[in-house]
Amino acid sequence: EADIYQTPRYLVIGTGKKITLECSQTMGHDKMYWYQQDPGMELHLIHYSYGVNSTEKGDLSSESTVSRIRTEHFPLTLESARPSHTSQYLCASSEFGQHYEQYFGPGTRLTVT
Amino acid sequence: QKEVEQNSGPLSVPEGAIASLNCTYSDRGSQSFFWYRQYSGKSPELIMFIYSNGDKEDGRFTAQLNKASQYVSLLIRDSQPSDSATYLCAVKGAAGNKLTFGGGTRVLVKP
Repeated sequence: EADIYQTPRYLVIGTGKKITLECSQTMGHDKMYWYQQDPGMELHLIHYSYGVNSTEKGDLSSESTVSRIRTEHFPLTLESARPSHTSQYLCASSEFGQHYEQYFGPGTRLTVT
Repeated sequence: QKEVEQNSGPLSVPEGAIASLNCTYSDRGSQSFFWYRQYSGKSPELIMFIYSNGDKEDGRFTAQLNKASQYVSLLIRDSQPSDSATYLCAVKGAAGNKLTFGGGTRVLVKP
């Protein structure tokens, strides 16, 4: 079944650690996105990619970085985690086409202590 | 002015009634409009999208688009307690491939 996956679903980690949040999709979508959302708050786009070797920063400034080496894989990395990075991180993908509806993964809830 | 605006709610609706949610947007060239449902602690789930003026129905959900007035609405008929969630309006603007999300409207359906 075509889907979008995120791992880990929950992560509690100490300050200063390097983190990689994984996102993979089996839908063959060329566009992928990372959003950040605090509980009860708005979604904020932090990174997006329109294809392999294409990455752009989103509307909200983030200390994280992303890479897109394979179509199906769009990992997000934090080199040195801080408590201010505590949030939910949501990955989404969309297919090239007229309407660009996005489908979301289950999210990763990150807590930095 | 925010690009996509929604009333944050909560919108309290009796079970079986119609819930009416509104969303306004600022980019007159916007092309596509989406409604997502998000349960607390979960990721957004696409309910419907609409791109032509008028109504689009899918089960108990109806999306309505009025590009001249720059608003899109969502009607939920025969509301159920399981419809209690935050509903996000998202808009694809005239340029680029990104969606702009509103802040969401929280809906509470009371038995």
